[in-house]
Amino acid sequence: DTEVTQTPKHLVMGMTNKKSLKCEQHMGHRAMYWYKQKAKKPPELMFVYSYEKLSINESVPSRFSPECPNSSLLNLHLHALQPEDSALYLCASRTLGLTGRSGYTFGSGTRLTVV
Amino acid sequence: QKEVEQNSGPLSVPEGAIASLNCTYSDRGSQSFFWYRQYSGKSPELIMFIYSNGDKEDGRFTAQLNKASQYVSLLIRDSQPSDSATYLCAVNPRPGTGTASKLTFGTGTRLQVTL
Repeated sequence: DTEVTQTPKHLVMGMTNKKSLKCEQHMGHRAMYWYKQKAKKPPELMFVYSYEKLSINESVPSRFSPECPNSSLLNLHLHALQPEDSALYLCASRTLGLTGRSGYTFGSGTRLTVV
Repeated sequence: QKEVEQNSGPLSVPEGAIASLNCTYSDRGSQSFFWYRQYSGKSPELIMFIYSNGDKEDGRFTAQLNKASQYVSLLIRDSQPSDSATYLCAVNPRPGTGTASKLTFGTGTRLQVTL
């Protein structure tokens, strides 16, 4: 299995809603990432998990809450979002311990619209 | 100076021609370099990686790395309309040490292959 699976593919939520994005991989990768991407912009790093521990938080607002329940799963909990949070949310994973020579495998993304 | 720089384009090449995409990076300690292709509305897909000076070929794609000049490029031979996409250059700023480092992305170059 060489895939990163993200669900849902599309999500429309109101500003008072609570929702979660899910990401799953079975490649044995021990680093997992959340990125946000706006149209015509490169991916923007949000969070990094290494061995199921949060290692990087790029000063993301608390309305985004990541969770890594185990080595295969990564969640992003959303609460009280703003319309400007509408974007493509990408999950990625990579293996560790190869002197940085491994690239990311990206999931197909969740297209989020906040109304 | 941006950490990873790319010309945003669009770069327009006729079908069958060679497309040349360029990327410069500022961190001289960078160890590995990646090219991702991203179709509009889709997630990035890894197409090439390189970490040694020189050329690396894979089918119609050739990655070129010159660490002294801090320059990495992607050549696409016999360009096809299906190659029309945004190409993201990504750089791993330091060797992995068991901690998940983050790739630094350029802003991407939009390639248009015309009939």
